[in-house]
Amino acid sequence: KAGVTQTPRYLIKTRGQQVTLSCSPISGHRSVSWYQQTPGQGLQFLFEYFSETQRNKGNFPGRFSGRQFSNSRSEMNVSTLELGDSALYLCASSWGDRATTDTQYFGPGTRLTVL
Amino acid sequence: AQSVTQPDIHITVSEGASLELRCNYSYGATPYLFWYVQSPGQGLQLLLKYFSGDTLVQGIKGFEAEFKRSQSSFNLRKPSVHWSDAAEYFCAVGDINTGTASKLTFGTGTRLQVTL
Repeated sequence: KAGVTQTPRYLIKTRGQQVTLSCSPISGHRSVSWYQQTPGQGLQFLFEYFSETQRNKGNFPGRFSGRQFSNSRSEMNVSTLELGDSALYLCASSWGDRATTDTQYFGPGTRLTVL
Repeated sequence: AQSVTQPDIHITVSEGASLELRCNYSYGATPYLFWYVQSPGQGLQLLLKYFSGDTLVQGIKGFEAEFKRSQSSFNLRKPSVHWSDAAEYFCAVGDINTGTASKLTFGTGTRLQVTL
């Protein structure tokens, strides 16, 4: 069974640009969550999508957005990039039901560098 | 709000020695607890999880963790460390308010160094 895949793995952008990251979940998983990992702030939850709807949201500005497609693949977009957006962006998938045994499985991440 | 504390930023152990990584959480009810490991440049790999029941849970790679409600702790242990265990370890708690484990709050991580 294939794991969570993220593309691209590495990305370099300049301030003010926008970027789109992609995540393909494990087959059958309907929930996709996104996290930002930085040395200063650690791992922080961005948002979760389930059945094409945003179900949970973290405390990030509106420049960070996402969406999910009918095949559960998800994209996240960051507009007007700032230097502080440089980070490893991790995607995680799970079945998404509210059973307590649901578990998130993470992809390898996309390393975004903003110059 | 729920929170997770990993008091040890960096730990060094000799290969073959035992290991215990500390994790304390802040939450009123029974939390959903996880340990993940991250190797350099990689994503997070699930080691083990606790939802309810037996307070001692077994994971992959010979790791185990014990949930102690009285101490609000979920410490990770391994009897004999291998050089390949060198990595960063994260403790996480699921979001009880939403009733799902899909919104995780992570600790700051503990970097494990293994000396030969």
